[in-house]
Amino acid sequence: ETGVTQTPRHLVMGMTNKKSLKCEQHLGHNAMYWYKQSAKKPLELMFVYSLEERVENNSVPSRFSPECPNSSHLFLHLHTLQPEDSALYLCASSQDWGRTEAFFGQGTRLTVV
Amino acid sequence: AQSVSQHNHHVILSEAASLELGCNYSYGGTVNLFWYVQYPGQHLQLLLKYFSGDPLVKGIKGFEAEFIKSKFSFNLRKPSVQWSDTAEYFCAVNALYGGSQGNLIFGKGTKLSVKP
Repeated sequence: ETGVTQTPRHLVMGMTNKKSLKCEQHLGHNAMYWYKQSAKKPLELMFVYSLEERVENNSVPSRFSPECPNSSHLFLHLHTLQPEDSALYLCASSQDWGRTEAFFGQGTRLTVV
Repeated sequence: AQSVSQHNHHVILSEAASLELGCNYSYGGTVNLFWYVQYPGQHLQLLLKYFSGDPLVKGIKGFEAEFIKSKFSFNLRKPSVQWSDTAEYFCAVNALYGGSQGNLIFGKGTKLSVKP
């Protein structure tokens, strides 16, 4: 148990669907992150929220839309995805943005068909 | 932009062999350094971290890493591996100043397979 919970664990969606990934952290942390993990590539940082404000958006296509309604919850809204977006999406949190270690959830395995 | 290089994609060892996994980073300023491990089917877990002080850092499960600033390296070591160490290992760097301040940048990972 990491203290960071992601749902769903697996998701298959068509290119015209809209779905959302959910992340919840029970650690009282101030920063939350979305990473994308693809085969044979480094983990790619997608979005960073610190104190519920987005502080980083690493040139992520607009078909990915994050939302952080409070310090414990983070969403990633997905629409009109492409097959190359299939990957493991990891949520993480840390006490403060950047200066402390990150705790990761188990990820959502996304397949776009 | 800062980057992290892990030189070995896949390492195969027998039990009791010694392990060293290489990690180099490109940023010239102050950094925080991490090694994470991902066991099959499990989440990424912190193995050890370096923020400051003694450059030889000890982590969980007998792992250690040495920060050599002049070489921009943070290699992971274990004197004697076990079958249960089979996992993927990720080096990560956080630059404390500069354009990507605050962001944890990962290497591609090294898959370790330990034969019983």
